[in-house]
Amino acid sequence: QVQLQESGPGLVKPSQTLSLTCTVSGGSISSGGYYWSWIRQHPGKGLEWIGYIYYSGSTYYNPSLKSRVTISVDTSKNQFSLKLSSVTAADTAVYYCARGGSSGYSKYYFDYWGQGTLVTVSS
Amino acid sequence: DIQLTQSPSFLSASVGDRVTITCRASQGISSYLAWYQQKPGKAPKLLIYAASTLQSGVPSRFSGSGSGTEFTLTISSLQPEDFATYYCQQLNSYPPSTFGQGTRLEIK
Repeated sequence: QVQLQESGPGLVKPSQTLSLTCTVSGGSISSGGYYWSWIRQHPGKGLEWIGYIYYSGSTYYNPSLKSRVTISVDTSKNQFSLKLSSVTAADTAVYYCARGGSSGYSKYYFDYWGQGTLVTVSS
Repeated sequence: DIQLTQSPSFLSASVGDRVTITCRASQGISSYLAWYQQKPGKAPKLLIYAASTLQSGVPSRFSGSGSGTEFTLTISSLQPEDFATYYCQQLNSYPPSTFGQGTRLEIK
């Protein structure tokens, strides 16, 4: 059974960089076959896809966040990470990591999710 | 950008009821649509993908249909564990993945 677990600071100051890590267990990122995404949910609101990474390091970001987002992978630790720069209060949200399918549109069918971590942007 | 509009936004129903949630896309998205269920404090759960394909392990009382711009999620006989918020998600257009605003299903 694949499990994902987000970790990182729950409080970030405005203008700083939000950094989160997703640790995957029950399956190897480096075995390929899946795309690994970050998704966020503003309090009481809907869901927003942030971007994905493949084990090779290939990435694709939501154009609305692209200038501030970096997603990276560490296959030796079976982890992938999110960095979001120049944060404001509008970036306060629950951040989820999730697994997508292997190709085409299935990259965006998220069948396994972490439990989510709330990140608050405040001074 | 493609907009997804779910209706209703809020639905009150009883155990055993048949309920239908609609998701309309502002442009045609073929069958590139998924449905998720989210309970308070939990991550979303994939129910249906490709508009009508049931995800492994999801009860058969859930079904999806539609293509183009109009899609539906139907629960044939509501169970107590089905009360949750439901989201549709499109995968066909730029940006590559967006979600509807959600439909909150509550017990009458």
